[in-house]
Amino acid sequence: GIQVEQSPPDLILQEGANSTLRCNFSDSVNNLQWFHQNPWGQLINLFYIPSGTKQNGRLSATTVATERYSLLYISSSQTTDSGVYFCAVREYSTLTFGKGTMLLVSP
Amino acid sequence: SQTIHQWPATLVQPVGSPLSLECTVEGTSNPNLYWYRQAAGRGLQLLFYSVGIGQISSEVPQNLSASRPQDRQFILSSKKLLLSDSGFYLCASTAPNTEAFFGQGTRLTVV
Repeated sequence: GIQVEQSPPDLILQEGANSTLRCNFSDSVNNLQWFHQNPWGQLINLFYIPSGTKQNGRLSATTVATERYSLLYISSSQTTDSGVYFCAVREYSTLTFGKGTMLLVSP
Repeated sequence: SQTIHQWPATLVQPVGSPLSLECTVEGTSNPNLYWYRQAAGRGLQLLFYSVGIGQISSEVPQNLSASRPQDRQFILSSKKLLLSDSGFYLCASTAPNTEAFFGQGTRLTVV
């Protein structure tokens, strides 16, 4: 099956810093999503982004499908951004997750 | 958009007892449905997925089973729970060419 790799596995930032999270995938996919898992375990949809660039406030994402990667940018990070960020790719009926990036934003 | 209802939110069960977790979907028809488990640590392991009523694909052979008795209902079951079944269980739904949505999850502790 398709392989999804996320980097870095862990990231510690000071509040106000910017960061880039990366997601590489091994084969062509139908779509790609970014999620934020909050401290209560809930998966929050951030972006549905099969290709191109999208922005939502301080967050933006870019997927280059032909090169099989996606980037999630977090600008001016806040403590509430802490948590695990997952990318997930869909290939036909399966939805495969990377292992996530654990982000800790300290005040 | 879709709404995924998943219950209960938390569950403590003794070893050897049965399990039934239910997931229902609103806002779409004929979705693909998924059960994931997240053990200690952070990876999400795909357990089962379904593309239609009565159609179940198992990704990991184990002590669990899944059923889809109705279009928007997905059930995860076990006849006898093991300690290793403890974890955080998430139900997800996708429709063609749209994003996936997740339920709130069930935190299962087997004691």
